[in-house]
Amino acid sequence: QVQLQQSGPGLVKPSQTLSLTCAISGDSVSSDSAAWNWIRQSPSRGLEWLGRTYYRSKWYNEYAVSVKSRMTINPDTSKNQFSLQLNSVTPEDTAVYYCASSRGAFDIWGQGTVVTVSS
Amino acid sequence: DIQMTQSPSSLSASVGDRVTITCRASQSINNYLNWYHQKPGKAPKLLIYGASSVQSGVPSRFSGSGSGTDFTLTISSLQPEDFATYYCQQTYSIPITFGQGTRLDIK
Repeated sequence: QVQLQQSGPGLVKPSQTLSLTCAISGDSVSSDSAAWNWIRQSPSRGLEWLGRTYYRSKWYNEYAVSVKSRMTINPDTSKNQFSLQLNSVTPEDTAVYYCASSRGAFDIWGQGTVVTVSS
Repeated sequence: DIQMTQSPSSLSASVGDRVTITCRASQSINNYLNWYHQKPGKAPKLLIYGASSVQSGVPSRFSGSGSGTDFTLTISSLQPEDFATYYCQQTYSIPITFGQGTRLDIK
């Protein structure tokens, strides 16, 4: 049974970097049929897909235009996890952040992390 | 970006009712359409993928249909645990986008 366990701080100061990790059990970040996604949810933006990483003979990353200049998703094969880094955060980045696996649809989700950007 | 528009935005219904939620894409997405529901404080849960395939473990009262730009989710007989917010999602092209949600509550 695939499970995703998120970790990371719930409070980040403006202009700093938001870092979250999603640990995978029951599957592999190097799977050649899965993609590993980050999504966030806020009252103002609803559900917003942020980006994904996946392996198809080599690693690929894709990002939403709204965060592309500030965001990095990194797979970590040694720990079987993937991470999100979002730089230069503002209060508009306050949201619940989710990781999710996809083989087409998003079938497995992490538990969510409430992230507040505030000084 | 492909815009996903759900209707209605909210809906009140009773246990045992048949309910239909619609989702329209701003351009054709073939059948790359998925449905989720979400309860407060929880992550979304996949119900339907590929427009009409029921995810393993999801009750058969849930069904989906449509192709191209217009899609529907039907719950044949509402149960108490079905009161939640429902989202459609397209995975046809990047960026992946979601509908704004349909809140289903008890009448």
